[in-house]
Amino acid sequence: TQLLEQSPQFLSIQEGENLTVYCNSSSVFSSLQWYRQEPGEGPVLLVTVVTGGEVKKLKRLTFQFGDARKDSSLHITAAQPGDTGLYLCAGAPRGGSQGNLIFGKGTKLSVKP
Amino acid sequence: DVKVTQSSRYLVKRTGEKVFLECVQDMDHENMFWYRQDPGLGLRLIYFSYDVKMKEKGDIPEGYSVSREKKERFSLILESASTNQTSMYLCASSRLGTRFEKLFFGSGTQLSVL
Repeated sequence: TQLLEQSPQFLSIQEGENLTVYCNSSSVFSSLQWYRQEPGEGPVLLVTVVTGGEVKKLKRLTFQFGDARKDSSLHITAAQPGDTGLYLCAGAPRGGSQGNLIFGKGTKLSVKP
Repeated sequence: DVKVTQSSRYLVKRTGEKVFLECVQDMDHENMFWYRQDPGLGLRLIYFSYDVKMKEKGDIPEGYSVSREKKERFSLILESASTNQTSMYLCASSRLGTRFEKLFFGSGTQLSVL
């Protein structure tokens, strides 16, 4: 069974701090997605990374896909209260079907003003 | 923008009742999914469908069935609800592509089975 381990599970920080969330596996993925879920809503896609070593930036968020395509990280610079939410990574296994997206258990981020 | 609409935000049912959760998407997506989300367990796939009348079991199909009679609508059925099916249920849709496509989620249905 392929697993995606996310860490940390919970993170509570002050506005303006930096943070990094990790998503690790022993398996190779053809692509990896990051979603953010706000309370009472469904997850919303932030980014998809496809190539090993790829780095993508979305304003203050930086996403990296590991060289071996087994891990990924999300770095937030100068966190804002609006960044509060549940961050989920999701990997598409190599050769998997459309229904085979594997989700991590999520990192619950709270940014206090 | 794609919209995935789930019929109820909150639902309270009794043990043994038959429960229908409805999901409609408006972007002509081929794929539709049902997940349940529980604290500490993340999102787990119940069933998915890649075409009308087609369905595939996910990781936890026991106690559930699905129906897809029209492309835009995907229903999740709990034949006889049990307390361990209390959960947040999320519907999602995506295009059928060559690689894993972006999932569009509904806002979820919080189901409580008493």
